[in-house]
Amino acid sequence: QQQVKQSPQSLIVQKGGISIINCAYENTAFDYFPWYQQFPGKGPALLIAIRPDVSEKKEGRFTISFNKSAKQFSLHIMDSQPGDSATYFCAASNDNYGQNFVFGPGTRLSVLP
Amino acid sequence: DAGVTQSPTHLIKTRGQQVTLRCSPKSGHDTVSWYQQALGQGPQFIFQYYEEEERQRGNFPDRFSGHQFPNYSSELNVNALLLGDSALYLCASSPGQVLGIFGQGTRLTVV
Repeated sequence: QQQVKQSPQSLIVQKGGISIINCAYENTAFDYFPWYQQFPGKGPALLIAIRPDVSEKKEGRFTISFNKSAKQFSLHIMDSQPGDSATYFCAASNDNYGQNFVFGPGTRLSVLP
Repeated sequence: DAGVTQSPTHLIKTRGQQVTLRCSPKSGHDTVSWYQQALGQGPQFIFQYYEEEERQRGNFPDRFSGHQFPNYSSELNVNALLLGDSALYLCASSPGQVLGIFGQGTRLTVV
């Protein structure tokens, strides 16, 4: 119930391409879904987040698509750049859980120049 | 603003020993949470401190304990270290019950 599944485990994309990472959850009490970006030796940094009352949120080259009925959400990185090469984590939480975020296992993205 | 500062950045301990990790939250933040990130995994919530009290706790044994000081800084203590405790320990701070920002972490290796 508390698990967040994430795929793929790793992803290689050419510069300028679209990177797509998918996540799925079971706990319908979750109502906040952030994506984090983590570079080696650094802590995770918030990239973009969405709540279930919208189906899509876009910030620059990053878009979250959310399917409440399927309990799935995905991150799309448009015009991927080598600087986007990092590990991406989806997460889920509920306002009542405070900062008890449940993270997915991560996707290692490599963008080839 | 230095953001969230953690110390030390790396340390090596022997199985059975005890370790203390430290976290200074971002200025203006009063809530501190700790996460454990095993190699190749996502972070796992350990516990959260607010007003010097543990407010929430994840699924971690009592060997993991913490403290928050009046200046909002925090410590994570782990007793009777196991090899499986080797991980990156992350601290996140926030102004109350909102999304926190993470520090760079402390890499703990238990040998």
